[in-house]
Amino acid sequence: EVQLVESGGVVVPPGGSLRLSCAASGFTFNDYTMHWVRQAPGKGLEWVSLISWDGRTTNYAESVKGRFTISRDNSKNSLYLQMNSLRIEETALYYCVKDRALGYCSGGLCLGFEYWGQGTLVTVSS
Amino acid sequence: QSVLTQPPSVSLASGQKVTISCSGSSSNIGNNYVSWYQQLPGTAPKLLIWENNQRPSGIPDRFSGSKSGTSATLAITGLQTGDEADYYCATWDNSLSAWVFGGGTKLTVL
Repeated sequence: EVQLVESGGVVVPPGGSLRLSCAASGFTFNDYTMHWVRQAPGKGLEWVSLISWDGRTTNYAESVKGRFTISRDNSKNSLYLQMNSLRIEETALYYCVKDRALGYCSGGLCLGFEYWGQGTLVTVSS
Repeated sequence: QSVLTQPPSVSLASGQKVTISCSGSSSNIGNNYVSWYQQLPGTAPKLLIWENNQRPSGIPDRFSGSKSGTSATLAITGLQTGDEADYYCATWDNSLSAWVFGGGTKLTVL
């Protein structure tokens, strides 16, 4: 059974930093591209970032470029999101998501968000 | 304002068929696969359709997807109260170099 368990969400002041983690199990982690997707309270879904299976390819939403960094440690079956210069409007539930495509994919070659964690809540507030 | 346009809400009676549209452009839907997601209240989203019209195992054939030009459609037949949820479309946008979601459609089953 695929499991994705996010952690690291806390209350952080505007301009602060935070690192989210995602522990993956139930599949061969290093075979898949992984994503972060967020959802502000009462709002829709917003894609944040992706990282290819080998970590060599990353993509970011324009709104987070230069402030967020996605990374992974395949030896630990773990995905990370380093978030800097956080803004109030980035208060959201952050989901760790496995792509459906087996092997390398990036951008439009990826097939969609197959499995989702339960999310970790990041609150940006003074 | 979302890059992909969905109706904010739809309401239909139990047993009927509903279609939810997702309108985009040549930089996204027109040249990439579309996927659809169901988000039941208080839960994480679930993949319903990938590659325009493919269903993951375990998804009933009451759910189907299609794409034509720069628009995609999710159809649900034999509506059940358990289908009440928010539905989202998603695809890659070549101009933005980013995945984009529709704004979501809230389905109410009367």
